[in-house]
Amino acid sequence: DTAVSQTPKYLVTQMGNDKSIKCEQNLGHDTMYWYKQDSKKFLKIMFSYNNKELIINETVPNRFSPKSPDKAHLNLHINSLELGDSAVYFCASSPGTGPDRTQYFGPGTRLTVL
Amino acid sequence: TQLLEQSPQFLSIQEGENLTVYCNSSSVFSSLQWYRQEPGEGPVLLVTVVTGGEVKKLKRLTFQFGDARKDSSLHITAAQPGDTGLYLCAGQPPTGNQFYFGTGTSLTVIP
Repeated sequence: DTAVSQTPKYLVTQMGNDKSIKCEQNLGHDTMYWYKQDSKKFLKIMFSYNNKELIINETVPNRFSPKSPDKAHLNLHINSLELGDSAVYFCASSPGTGPDRTQYFGPGTRLTVL
Repeated sequence: TQLLEQSPQFLSIQEGENLTVYCNSSSVFSSLQWYRQEPGEGPVLLVTVVTGGEVKKLKRLTFQFGDARKDSSLHITAAQPGDTGLYLCAGQPPTGNQFYFGTGTSLTVIP
């Protein structure tokens, strides 16, 4: 019974390619997120959706485009991949947006751009 | 971007020792959270503090939110190998919905 799942777990690709990462949550949460964790383990918010509506967009290049087909899914599409995009990408979900909310993280997708 | 600095960055201690991890910022936060992340997994929430001066205890872990809501500390008593992991603080500013994560503290407890 995985709460937040991501596919694929690992993604190795060439510079310039386009790739997608999928995320699904079965917790019934309204809010979903994408985070990027770099090689120094710094975790940075990229996007957040609440009820399929974009509510956070943290200065992310236009090459990154999130899509939320429904409340349970939030996918991340990346165009023209660059070396600097190599990182671990985490999807998360939470019940609402309050300051005491619990974010549930997926297992991460390790993206390596060659 | 709200900067949250954690110290120390790395910590290696013997089983049974006590330790404190600090999370400092010049910004005020409406709430602050602590997460633990194990290799190959996503972070898992340990605690949320929302009131200045608040202290919460979770078994051997004690969390404190600074009076001015700009900093926090995590104290572990009698550390165990199972406490090994990356500890992350995260703060939500008074405006906006996002949490900003700290720079992280990697803890290793040696049996």
